[in-house]
Amino acid sequence: AQKVTQAQTEISVVEKEDVTLDCVYETRDTTYYLFWYKQPPSGELVFLIRRNSFDEQNEISGRYSWNFQKSTSSFNFTITASQVVDSAVYFCALRIYNQGGKLIFGQGTELSVKP
Amino acid sequence: DGGITQSPKYLFRKEGQNVTLSCEQNLNHDAMYWYRQDPGQGLRLIYYSQIVNDFQKGDIAEGYSVSREKKESFPLTVTSAQKNPTAFYLCASGPRDRGNEKLFFGSGTQLSVL
Repeated sequence: AQKVTQAQTEISVVEKEDVTLDCVYETRDTTYYLFWYKQPPSGELVFLIRRNSFDEQNEISGRYSWNFQKSTSSFNFTITASQVVDSAVYFCALRIYNQGGKLIFGQGTELSVKP
Repeated sequence: DGGITQSPKYLFRKEGQNVTLSCEQNLNHDAMYWYRQDPGQGLRLIYYSQIVNDFQKGDIAEGYSVSREKKESFPLTVTSAQKNPTAFYLCASGPRDRGNEKLFFGSGTQLSVL
């Protein structure tokens, strides 16, 4: 069975701190894709990044960076120098190739960045 | 602007009543999805459709029904059989089973029971 676990339910930091959101996934499939979405208070999910199972290269986009490690089945997300606008719920998701395109979500991590 | 429109934003259901949540997209996507969000439980898949006139059950389909008569529309009906319907419902769309393609999400409908 496939599963995504985000063990951190809530995280609270002070502005300018770095914060890492953990994501661990389970699947026996060899071809799969991993995603991160942000859900601000408005409710709509905003796409942040995707990775396929054959690409373990880490990625940096401004203050955001992602660390994908197949050896530990993890796809962690780090925000450097956090800002109040980063406050949101963040979801990690897994999609298995050729299984209807559906996303399997983790429970989400609510990040609160205080000024 | 291309996107996904969900309506209404807030919906109230009385006991024994069926209610229908609307989802419309103008992104020309073949696939559409309905997710339910409860606090602390993430998003769970209710139903999905990869093509017009075809749909499949997700993980929590009991008490829900859908139709896919048009490519642009994928309405979700919450029936009286769904005993705990209070939740935030999100609709999404994407290209048909293209694994690396992202899904686009609507802004959601909050359903509450009176």
